[in-house]
Amino acid sequence: GNSVTQMEGPVTLSEEAFLTINCTYTATGYPSLFWYVQYPGEGLQLLLKATKADDKGSNKGFEATYRKETTSFHLEKGSVQVSDSAVYFCALSDQTGYNKLIFGAGTRLAVHP
Amino acid sequence: DVKVTQSSRYLVKRTGEKVFLECVQDMDHENMFWYRQDPGLGLRLIYFSYDVKMKEKGDIPEGYSVSREKKERFSLILESASTNQTSMYLCASSRVTEAFFGQGTRLTVV
Repeated sequence: GNSVTQMEGPVTLSEEAFLTINCTYTATGYPSLFWYVQYPGEGLQLLLKATKADDKGSNKGFEATYRKETTSFHLEKGSVQVSDSAVYFCALSDQTGYNKLIFGAGTRLAVHP
Repeated sequence: DVKVTQSSRYLVKRTGEKVFLECVQDMDHENMFWYRQDPGLGLRLIYFSYDVKMKEKGDIPEGYSVSREKKERFSLILESASTNQTSMYLCASSRVTEAFFGQGTRLTVV
């Protein structure tokens, strides 16, 4: 079945450091891929998405590229800020048309000044 | 802006109680979902609905039921709450390529 695996956290970085959070997926067909972010005490917000192979999603300085050959969708940011501290979830959308999302376990990011 | 509103941020219930979690969306979306979020497990789908009165089981439906009498409202019901249902519950609604989430309800069953 479909599944998403992302790197375990927590990830602890200093401000302005480079961020990578790895995400790989298993799916039949060509799912859409997403990164969601959850700030403390809040629900999930869509951070970025990619709907087909080689697409690059980007938002707020974050980027991720849909790599079909490696079944990956790694999240990157060149210079993190304290305000980026949150839990990040990688997800895929199944192919049924209902847009059911299948999530990874989440990666907590803590950025220190 | 799309808004998904969950009726409570925090709930404390006793074992054996019947619990209702309510969710309302204002964007006329057909699809609505209930997930539970537990540390290290991510979000797991409990139930979803693709139209009024239509529902489908997700990955972990045991101990839960749902109701969708109106398009904008999707309710999650714990028929007899148990301590292993202590969790964060997240409601979502979606259009074709994007899901929108509520703030979550942190339920504690004692």
